[in-house]
Parts: sequence; structure tokens; C-alpha cells
Amino acid sequence: NAGVTQTPKFQVLKTGQSMTLQCAQDMNHNSMYWYRQDPGMGLRLIYYSASEGTTDKGEVPNGYNVSRLNKREFSLRLESAAPSQTSVYFCASSTIGTGELFFGEGSRLTVL
Amino acid sequence: GENVEQHPSTLSVQEGDSAVIKCTYSDSASNYFPWYKQELGKGPQLIIDIRSNVGEKKDQRIAVTLNKTAKHFSLHITETQPEDSAVYFCAASSNNAGNMLTFGGGTRLMVKP
Repeated sequence: NAGVTQTPKFQVLKTGQSMTLQCAQDMNHNSMYWYRQDPGMGLRLIYYSASEGTTDKGEVPNGYNVSRLNKREFSLRLESAAPSQTSVYFCASSTIGTGELFFGEGSRLTVL
Repeated sequence: GENVEQHPSTLSVQEGDSAVIKCTYSDSASNYFPWYKQELGKGPQLIIDIRSNVGEKKDQRIAVTLNKTAKHFSLHITETQPEDSAVYFCAASSNNAGNMLTFGGGTRLMVKP
């Protein structure tokens, strides 16, 4: 069992470039999430998908889009990257009702 | 919405000592309070959680206490070991918020051998 797998692990972009972060889980979880982690600010929810076919905004959705491709995969897209989007991004998944989130190992993004 | 404050931001203890991390929350409807541990280069991992119908929960060397009246909860680690060194996050959620977690800012715990 790989758990939650994120790609890429590292990426450097120039301002205005676009990219997609990929996430896949093999635990048959219904819900998936994208968080960003910045120093001193904990983890902030960008978007989530409570179940296949649905997506909703979290606390900091501006500048991002998501796609729940199927039950396993949930991608995060930056259409026009900005330096303020320099961060570590985490994908997570959970079953409905348990509360426990299972996180990937993170994707470190730098926007110059 | 919910706001979770976590203190201290860094904590250094000697191996064998106890460590305490405190969190306060703002939404009185919050009813689930997990703690996550993040090791260097890894994603956070759940280590213990507590629900609002319980005041204290223990799991070996770690314990969590909850005071709903004061809206604060704490993580206690006893007999600390070097492998306890990590960043710890508290979080809170409520059914009203769709069970979405709001995280505190994190505490970097360093255990000196």
C-alpha cells in the first residue's frame, strides 16, 4: 500500500507559468483534500472533494483550480503562478466519518 | 469561522523531561480535536485525537486534555525521547463546518539527548 502519492516532489516555476500537482490514493477513501503549509501558519485548506464528482473551496482557494478525476485521483492546478504561491503543498484523503486525514509527503513549489 | 491558536511555536526539552503544547479555539461548536506529528520531509500523521464528550485521553507516553468551557486543549508528552523531535499541529473541527479541520500554526519540539 503506497497510501497517498504526490508528484512532483519539487518544482520551480517562473511567475505566470502554469502547472498541475497530481495526487493519488489507494485506500479507497471518499474524501480528498489539498492543503498548503507556510511557516507559522499551519496547514490551510485550499480545496476539497467530499466524494467523487464534487469539489468545494476551502480557506484559501484563490489562484487554484482542482479536478477530481476519479475516486483515486485529485489534482491541483495553478493557472498563472505567483510568488505568493511559494509553499509546500500536501494532498490528503479520508474516509467519511473517521476524521483521520492521511497525508502525502508533500510537494515543494517555488515561484520566482 | 474557526480560529485555532497554538503555543509555543518552538519548545526545547531535555530527554526524559515532559513537554506540553497548548491550543485554544474560537468556535464553541467544535467537537473533534486531533493532534498531528510531522517529521522532517514527511506529511503530518495523526498521533492522538479527542472528542468533546471526553475530558482526557491517553496513549502510552502521550495524552490530550480538553476543557470545553475554556475552549482549550493540550498535548502532553512524558519521558520525551529524541525521536519525539518533530513539528506538532493541533486542529479542531465541527459538524457545522462539514468536519473540515482548522489547524494551529504548529510547534517545533526539539528533544536534546
